[in-house]
Amino acid sequence: DAGVIQSPRHEVTEMGQEVTLRCKPISGHNSLFWYRQTMMRGLELLIYFNNNVPIDDSGMPEDRFSAKMPNASFSTLKIQPSEPRDSAVYFCASTSLFGSPLHFGNGTRLTVT
Amino acid sequence: KQEVTQIPAALSVPEGENLVLNCSFTDSAIYNLQWFRQDPGKGLTSLLLIQSSQREQTSGRLNASLDKSSGRSTLYIAASQPGDSATYLCAVRDNNAGNMLTFGGGTRLMVKP
Repeated sequence: DAGVIQSPRHEVTEMGQEVTLRCKPISGHNSLFWYRQTMMRGLELLIYFNNNVPIDDSGMPEDRFSAKMPNASFSTLKIQPSEPRDSAVYFCASTSLFGSPLHFGNGTRLTVT
Repeated sequence: KQEVTQIPAALSVPEGENLVLNCSFTDSAIYNLQWFRQDPGKGLTSLLLIQSSQREQTSGRLNASLDKSSGRSTLYIAASQPGDSATYLCAVRDNNAGNMLTFGGGTRLMVKP
């Protein structure tokens, strides 16, 4: 079991640029979550998918953020255009059945200058 | 809306001490509660999952208890070691929130040799 795989591990970009974060959930898991973690706000849920369908995106900060899950083994979180306040660690997590433990990737540390 | 609080935010203890980390939640209608550990620069690692019908779960030197009616959970760490130094987070899964978790802010633990 390779765990949840995220790429890149680190991303440094300039304000206004497009950023795409990638996630491969654990094989067989059918729920996928995107979280953002900052010192000030802790862990915030951005969006989650069940069976590749977005269920709740109320945590997505604004229209600059979008997420897709084209198939069961891949998801992307895109920020366009990026701003310095988007700097944070972005985590992807997955789980199988309802109520099962949630498994996290190692995160992508995003810095927008 | 569910709110999860962890007190203290930081804790420093000498090696060998038994210690208790606290987690409280405002809405007792939960499905389960999960404890995580986060090392610097890493994702969250699941430690223990307690179902709402359970009172406690044990794994090695860790014991987590749940008192749903009072909205509390504790994580007990026996004979603490420097390798236990990390941030510990609790998260609850509500009955009516789909598969989403609400996280506490975490307790940053330092175990001094």
